[in-house]
Amino acid sequence: GQQLNQSPQSMFIQEGEDVSMNCTSSSIFNTWLWYKQDPGEGPVLLIALYKAGELTSNGRLTAQFGITRKDSFLNISASIPSDVGIYFCAGSGSARQLTFGSGTQLTVLP
Amino acid sequence: EPEVTQTPSHQVTQMGQEVILRCVPISNHLYFYWYRQILGQKVEFLVSFYNNEISEKSEIFDDQFSVERPDGSNFTLKIRSTKLEDSAMYFCASKLAGAYNEQFFGPGTRLTVL
Repeated sequence: GQQLNQSPQSMFIQEGEDVSMNCTSSSIFNTWLWYKQDPGEGPVLLIALYKAGELTSNGRLTAQFGITRKDSFLNISASIPSDVGIYFCAGSGSARQLTFGSGTQLTVLP
Repeated sequence: EPEVTQTPSHQVTQMGQEVILRCVPISNHLYFYWYRQILGQKVEFLVSFYNNEISEKSEIFDDQFSVERPDGSNFTLKIRSTKLEDSAMYFCASKLAGAYNEQFFGPGTRLTVL
């Protein structure tokens, strides 16, 4: 099946810093999605990407759909305490089911 | 803002018992999904449902699992005879019809099998 490698596994940053995380796939995806999950809750959709090369922003979040269609990154600028959580990439190909990455645990230090 | 809801939030059951997890997808959505997340692991696809039938399912979704849309609003996941390894968070998700694959997730049901 499709495999997604997400890195880094965890990050500790100071409040106000920028952070970047990425996902790479063993196969081509048609859609890349980025979700945030707080403890005990469901994933919340942050950004959706549909075209190779597409760069999309949502407030302080920016994500890109890689040209090869096998990778995506998420940047968070000027981090704040409420950015703490687990960030997941997810991709889908011709089938609509989402394949999730293993997550990046983000900790923002005051 | 419309959202996916799930009940119960936590279900504890004995091994071998049947459980039914319930979801109310967003009202104008037409595609419905179940995913699960074992503690500390990534979210895994179980099954997708469209037009009153299963459209895709994973290897995890074996004969012990079934889904149903019993009425116009509910979408259920049944596990016929639970095993210890079924303990996980189960998430329902839904999306609009069309090419865009933005799936919106519910808060999850934590299933604990003893």
